[in-house]
Amino acid sequence: TQLLEQSPQFLSIQEGENLTVYCNSSSVFSSLQWYRQEPGEGPVLLVTVVTGGEVKKLKRLTFQFGDARKDSSLHITAAQPGDTGLYLCAGVRDTGRRALTFGSGTRLQVQP
Amino acid sequence: GAVVSQHPSWVICKSGTSVKIECRSLDFQATTMFWYRQFPKQSLMLMATSNEGSKATYEQGVEKDKFLINHASLTLSTLTVTSAHPEDSSFYICSARDLTGVSNQPQHFGDGTRLSIL
Repeated sequence: TQLLEQSPQFLSIQEGENLTVYCNSSSVFSSLQWYRQEPGEGPVLLVTVVTGGEVKKLKRLTFQFGDARKDSSLHITAAQPGDTGLYLCAGVRDTGRRALTFGSGTRLQVQP
Repeated sequence: GAVVSQHPSWVICKSGTSVKIECRSLDFQATTMFWYRQFPKQSLMLMATSNEGSKATYEQGVEKDKFLINHASLTLSTLTVTSAHPEDSSFYICSARDLTGVSNQPQHFGDGTRLSIL
């Protein structure tokens, strides 16, 4: 079973539409990160959220960490074809080792 | 910024061959590096934590004799897939965290190694 469940698993939308990706868990995380991964490449960090209830904005991307630090969301406004990719949330539970537990992933395709 | 380099980026070899993958932190020191495996259309799964100067910590279900990890210096960790078989074909990704300076620094990922076993 996946510790971090993402929804939806796959999303195909038209350019200009808005979308939200959810990352849910029954476990508490000391921090949570969002990555985007292109085919054949490693994941690239988008944002790190640490405080429950925290909201961070990165241009058209808005990230929110749940109050209980068990869930997070990523909202993209006016999606563009360049936003296409695999979006992964990842959480840190073990503050000592700081290994990341990755979510199940959301594959986004933005049609021009 | 911090960069992690993986080599090779792509390898194809015959079944039974052992393959070594290198992960280097180019401009920072990393006492801990992580190895992940990613199957097509799936997410990253942590395989093991590589510790400089000591034994690696393997996740449940990962065979330590199959996936040998060596972390001999603060900038290099290697993963050797021994006697590789077709089911070991996957995308292997390493990451490292800069432990100097500001705390809570994120992990930096390599670009991955695509392993194909024929």
